[in-house]
Amino acid sequence: GAGVSQTPSNKVTEKGKYVELRCDPISGHTALYWYRQSLGQGPEFLIYFQGTGAADDSGLPNDRFFAVRPEGSVSTLKIQRTERGDSAVYLCASGQAASGELFFGEGSRLTVL
Amino acid sequence: AQRVTQPEKLLSVFKGAPVELKCNYSYSGSPELFWYVQYSRQRLQLLLRHISRESIKGFTADLNKGETSFHLKKPFAQEEDSAMYYCALKRGGADGLTFGKGTHLIIQP
Repeated sequence: GAGVSQTPSNKVTEKGKYVELRCDPISGHTALYWYRQSLGQGPEFLIYFQGTGAADDSGLPNDRFFAVRPEGSVSTLKIQRTERGDSAVYLCASGQAASGELFFGEGSRLTVL
Repeated sequence: AQRVTQPEKLLSVFKGAPVELKCNYSYSGSPELFWYVQYSRQRLQLLLRHISRESIKGFTADLNKGETSFHLKKPFAQEEDSAMYYCALKRGGADGLTFGKGTHLIIQP
């Protein structure tokens, strides 16, 4: 596909469960970003990958959150022991490094009951 | 730490009227500023960036370093401009964008 693809589009889980959210970036984009957007808020930076490595993970809220991008393309955001406060839309974006132009996916809406 | 402030959660104007969406930032270095837009049922997408100094869909934005502002303006609003608008800041040398909370622009017919 031409754009950033995120799966699942919706995920409902119970408190304490483990969740994985997947992002398939635009082919050739070396930079990949994860953001979280709560209701009424702007996107909140979580982590940025340049290639396979996490260049900046300063936005991850705590050690329950982890993300990987093993082959420099697809990325997975992993959330352990989910809490109700983790409910949000998780946005993935890709781009060319340092350009500032991010191409966003449609997001994965996570609801923790 | 950097911060982006959009003071208006909601802005409603009539078609044909001028529009100004406010954005103020705090950052000690040389930032790059952007406006992103999200139309109903569409993805968040780049509208314009200050270094390009371009007009997109009739919108312009000027970086005012003295006032640390990057307000978005359009002289004559159109109904299709209704959307969520986010101001964003990129720190020099780093890549993650910091977004404001957004302004919901409604253009009334």
